[in-house]
Amino acid sequence: AQRVTQPEKLLSVFKGAPVELKCNYSYSGSPELFWYVQYSRQRLQLLLRHISRESIKGFTADLNKGETSFHLKKPFAQEEDSAMYYCALQGTGANNLFFGTGTRLTVIP
Amino acid sequence: GAGVSQTPSNKVTEKGKYVELRCDPISGHTALYWYRQSLGQGPEFLIYFQGTGAADDSGLPNDRFFAVRPEGSVSTLKIQRTERGDSAVYLCASSSDPNSPLHFGNGTRLTVT
Repeated sequence: AQRVTQPEKLLSVFKGAPVELKCNYSYSGSPELFWYVQYSRQRLQLLLRHISRESIKGFTADLNKGETSFHLKKPFAQEEDSAMYYCALQGTGANNLFFGTGTRLTVIP
Repeated sequence: GAGVSQTPSNKVTEKGKYVELRCDPISGHTALYWYRQSLGQGPEFLIYFQGTGAADDSGLPNDRFFAVRPEGSVSTLKIQRTERGDSAVYLCASSSDPNSPLHFGNGTRLTVT
């Protein structure tokens, strides 16, 4: 069975501090991993996907198959990063995404 | 351009009633998904359409839930004999193909009293 675990429901950091949002997954094959973000009063949107290997808004995420993790990182948090972040997994050949329960990030000015 | 549109934005209904939730995907997007998000949870997959057909309905919780997409564009999620446990935000998403990123709507907040 597939599972996505985001252990922190709430995370607060000061502006300019590094931030890491944790995501661990359980899946027997080779999944595709995503981070979605929902800013206040906005719709859920894709932040980044592991196959793209790109940095979006200063965020990066590396897929670690040994640790089955896909943590989201940013070296210097900004106030506009405050949002709800969801880690999601797509199984091999699957059509749907399996989401974690989300982490609410608050960046303190 | 216009994003995914969902109507109504809020729906309050009594237990046992029938409800329909509508989704207008981005024009030209052939893939359409319905998700349900309960309080404090992440979105949970319900059903996926590729064109007019339901390619994967494995997430529908029971036979009270049904969805259609008769012309391959607008989709309607139908819930019969609503129960209080059906209260949630119902999200619709579309993509140009199954391998492309999902574009979500703002959701319909359903409250069953």
